[in-house]
Amino acid sequence: EAGVAQSPRYKIIEKRQSVAFWCNPISGHATLYWYQQILGQGPKLLIQFQNNGVVDDSQLPKDRFSAERLKGVDSTLKIQPAKLEDSAVYLCASSLGWLVGRADTQYFGPGTRLTVL
Amino acid sequence: DAKTTQPTSMDCAEGRAANLPCNHSTISGNEYVYWYRQIHSQGPQYIIHGLKNNETNEMASLIITEDRKSSTLILPHATLRDTAVYYCIVRNYNNNDMRFGAGTRLTVKP
Repeated sequence: EAGVAQSPRYKIIEKRQSVAFWCNPISGHATLYWYQQILGQGPKLLIQFQNNGVVDDSQLPKDRFSAERLKGVDSTLKIQPAKLEDSAVYLCASSLGWLVGRADTQYFGPGTRLTVL
Repeated sequence: DAKTTQPTSMDCAEGRAANLPCNHSTISGNEYVYWYRQIHSQGPQYIIHGLKNNETNEMASLIITEDRKSSTLILPHATLRDTAVYYCIVRNYNNNDMRFGAGTRLTVKP
């Protein structure tokens, strides 16, 4: 079974530029997540989608970050304009979704390492 | 904030069992204990999860105390490839936000 795919794996940009990351979840997974992981810290949730709808974006800096999952499968995360503090690894995860009596397990992609100069 | 407390780092000899503790004294009845690990430059990898019973899979065993306030992840025969940061997370079925703490950095030594 193929895992979560992300691209690019690495990106270097200058501050105030724009950048976009792409994620393809595991086939059949309804729920998709974007996390930000700053060096030395654990991942922090940015946004969660259920199919093509947003479930939780309370920790997404909406003045510069946006995300979409138009057809309920692939997703893109965009930063415009980037700041130095956005340097981090951006992780995508997917899961089947909660069902009564069954815990929901998230599976992570390899991440995109963003460096903002 | 994360609801768990883990040691910052641990060492283990190759071939020996690695026992990673986690305290979650405020866990509630509908919260699961999840363990993930993150090898350098990779995304977090799911290891195991449990509610109140001990669990075992091909990767590890999870021992949860009877009062559910702490748990231990056991890697029965640690290898060099098990060197990673191990995260213990509690979450319930109403909340998909997994709150990662700093985790335990396990170093397996030859």
